[in-house]
Amino acid sequence: DSGVTQTPKHLITATGQRVTLRCSPRSGDLSVYWYQQSLDQGLQFLIQYYNGEERAKGNILERFSAQQFPDLHSELNLSSLELGDSALYFCASSVAGAGANVLTFGAGSRLTVL
Amino acid sequence: AQRVTQPEKLLSVFKGAPVELKCNYSYSGSPELFWYVQYSRQRLQLLLRHISRESIKGFTADLNKGETSFHLKKPFAQEEDSAMYYCALVASGGSYIPTFGRGTSLIVHP
Repeated sequence: DSGVTQTPKHLITATGQRVTLRCSPRSGDLSVYWYQQSLDQGLQFLIQYYNGEERAKGNILERFSAQQFPDLHSELNLSSLELGDSALYFCASSVAGAGANVLTFGAGSRLTVL
Repeated sequence: AQRVTQPEKLLSVFKGAPVELKCNYSYSGSPELFWYVQYSRQRLQLLLRHISRESIKGFTADLNKGETSFHLKKPFAQEEDSAMYYCALVASGGSYIPTFGRGTSLIVHP
């Protein structure tokens, strides 16, 4: 599958814990975006990486961090989890880091914090 | 900062009826607008973008800068059009990060 791959698909954890979400971009894409979708909320932009470097930052909490590795996969780390962090986390990729690119989305990782 | 508003959370129509999913935006510059769609059990994917001026699956959308709108229209809805639709804006000259609306769920009844 040459599309965007996200793991895990589902994750249930407790408050205060730390989790890592992983994303492999579509083959050939250099840019990775992370979005959060909470109940009744649209897609909230968290952070973008391009070819290993942070390119743009949105409303990402300080408890959250991300990185993009040399093989272009990206990880989103969520720590000191709170109930309100329960959401669907989407990863998307695009070819370039600038310009109005079309995003290719992954299936999402559903995080439930109990 | 830019904002995208989709005023309807849910739009319910019968097969064969016209459909209009509303999208309004606020941005002082020149935006690029997109519609993304998510069918049941599928990934979010691009439906159309305004610069292409295409009709995709019978859907069209015209950018109206005067009304700051980018409504999605289809003259005759089909059951397979049932999905979640998201309007997105990219601000030219900015970070090029798409800003999404909250989405509208379209249900087409037989």
